[in-house]
Order: sequence, then C-alpha cells, then structure tokens
Amino acid sequence: QQQVKQSPQSLIVQKGGISIINCAYENTAFDYFPWYQQFPGKGPALLIAIRPDVSEKKEGRFTISFNKSAKQFSLHIMDSQPGDSATYFCAPGAGGGSQGNLIFGKGTKLSVKP
Amino acid sequence: KAGVTQTPRYLIKTRGQQVTLSCSPISGHRSVSWYQQTPGQGLQFLFEYFSETQRNKGNFPGRFSGRQFSNSRSEMNVSTLELGDSALYLCASSFSRGDGYTFGSGTRLTVV
Repeated sequence: QQQVKQSPQSLIVQKGGISIINCAYENTAFDYFPWYQQFPGKGPALLIAIRPDVSEKKEGRFTISFNKSAKQFSLHIMDSQPGDSATYFCAPGAGGGSQGNLIFGKGTKLSVKP
Repeated sequence: KAGVTQTPRYLIKTRGQQVTLSCSPISGHRSVSWYQQTPGQGLQFLFEYFSETQRNKGNFPGRFSGRQFSNSRSEMNVSTLELGDSALYLCASSFSRGDGYTFGSGTRLTVV
C-alpha cells in the first residue's frame, strides 16, 4: 500500500521562480506533515513542518499549504535560488511529530537554473 | 552543538556476513530512528527506539535488528547480508516532543 505519493519526480525552475512540490497521503491518522531537504552525500534535513490545525505555514521563502479534506500538502519555494537545488521529501507521520516512524515520499529532485 | 554521528561512514561487506552500524544521537535526544535509503525504494523506516525500548518497527525481515543503550546511543545489526541490503543507512534522533528529527549523514553499506 503506497501511503504517500509525491509529485513531480523532478522539477527544473529558473532562478527567482516558484517551485511547487505536492504530497498526497492516505492515512488519516497522520497529524504531522514535514518537508525534508537532502543534498548529495548528506542526510535529510528538516525544512519546515505543519500540523493539521493550520492550513498554511511560512518560514522565509518556504511555505507549506495543507488541505486536510483532500489529504494533500504542498511545499512552495519562493524566489528559488541555485542553492535550493536538492532533493525534497515529504514525510508525514502520526503522534504529532513525536514519533520517528515517518513515511517518506519518493522525493522530488529540484534543479534551479541560474 | 554536535549533530547525529554515524559510524562508520562507508562499509564493504561480503554476502552472508553480518554488520553492525552505530549511531550517537544529539545530546539529550532520547528517540532514535533508523531508515534505509536506496535509489529504488527511497527512504524506508526500519525501527525506532525510545528510552532503550523499541517503539515502532517497519516492514523489514528479522535479519535487521537494533538496540539502544542507556546513553541513547543506538546500534543496528544486519545478519546474513544480501546484495539487496546495499544502501545508505540513516539514523535520526529527537527529543520526541514534536520538534522534528535530525538525521545523520548515514553509513553507506555495499554488499559484494
């Protein structure tokens, strides 16, 4: 059972553009919705996370939008920079983020062209 | 502040052997999770330990096992290695208060 579907697989954006990555989930028990960023040779790093009591959260150039009824959440990267080129993963989980059994999407490889 | 430390960084083993990987969490973190990352299957959850007890377990065969010590350091063991076990093994730790998990850089295991 594929619990988490992430799209697109890859994304090419011009510098200064907006990058949008989507994540759809099935498990209604999920109540913690993070996005992770991974550079080659490194482990994933927590970028931003949201809980279902809010529909949007913004941290700098990164925004999460959450649609509980559609069971979807998305990552928006505003003013994309070449340094944002990395692989991004959604990784929803239960327990409000206090438990470490996250279900990762397959990842989106983002390339930001200068 | 020191991050999550995984040792060794690289490992080459032969089919049929066993291997032990180590993870030192961030100081004060009591939860440690392990993940396997491969190009085909992506990041898959192996197991999670909290205060020396296994709290959650993923869908992996019994050849994969782990433990956590009283100082929160964790080890995972894979017995009877198969070629398909070649992967990046990642450890993540947290205070387990909903503030997210911090990953180490992983151990790259190659089985030949």
